[in-house]
Amino acid sequence: GESVGLHLPTLSVQEGDNSIINCAYSNSASDYFIWYKQESGKGPQFIIDIRSNMDKRQGQRVTVLLNKTVKHLSLQIAATQPGDSAVYFCAGQFGNEKLTFGTGTRLTIIP
Amino acid sequence: ETGVTQTPRHLVMGMTNKKSLKCEQHLGHNAMYWYKQSAKKPLELMFVYSLEERVENNSVPSRFSPECPNSSHLFLHLHTLQPEDSALYLCASSPLTGPYGYTFGSGTRLTVV
Repeated sequence: GESVGLHLPTLSVQEGDNSIINCAYSNSASDYFIWYKQESGKGPQFIIDIRSNMDKRQGQRVTVLLNKTVKHLSLQIAATQPGDSAVYFCAGQFGNEKLTFGTGTRLTIIP
Repeated sequence: ETGVTQTPRHLVMGMTNKKSLKCEQHLGHNAMYWYKQSAKKPLELMFVYSLEERVENNSVPSRFSPECPNSSHLFLHLHTLQPEDSALYLCASSPLTGPYGYTFGSGTRLTVV
């Protein structure tokens, strides 16, 4: 089966700096990945996704990079803001199987 | 608002009480999920419903009883819970065919006293 894990449980970044959150997965057949953001008192919110036929996908201030060779996924947040403080989860999926979630990384933005 | 609505947002119940959590989605999704989220732990999948049929029960104690009367509604009936059941209970929905992501509700914060 799939397992997904985040590298660091916590990360602190100065406001305005860029942040990178990393994730590793085990199933090389996984073909879809998602990053979720969970703010205090809320459920996980979709941020950005990427399919395995891509290496990079950009959104507004966020970029997801996929390295299939080393089975590594990262989320880059540019010019971090206080509202970026949250727990970030990666999740992987193979075909129609259930999403497998990693443990979260708590990102704290330092003013 | 994500399209998945959970009520109540907060619930405090005694160990002998019976209560129900409700989840509602109008996204046209045909799969619904209950997750348990405890502090410093990964999301724990509890139940999966596909086209209103339960397709997965991840060794959840019988004091948790799910119900899916139609594709838009999902309930989690609770009875004789334990303090360790205190957690955030999240409902999610998704399309049946993938790849796809799940849309989560805001959760019910449950405290068992």
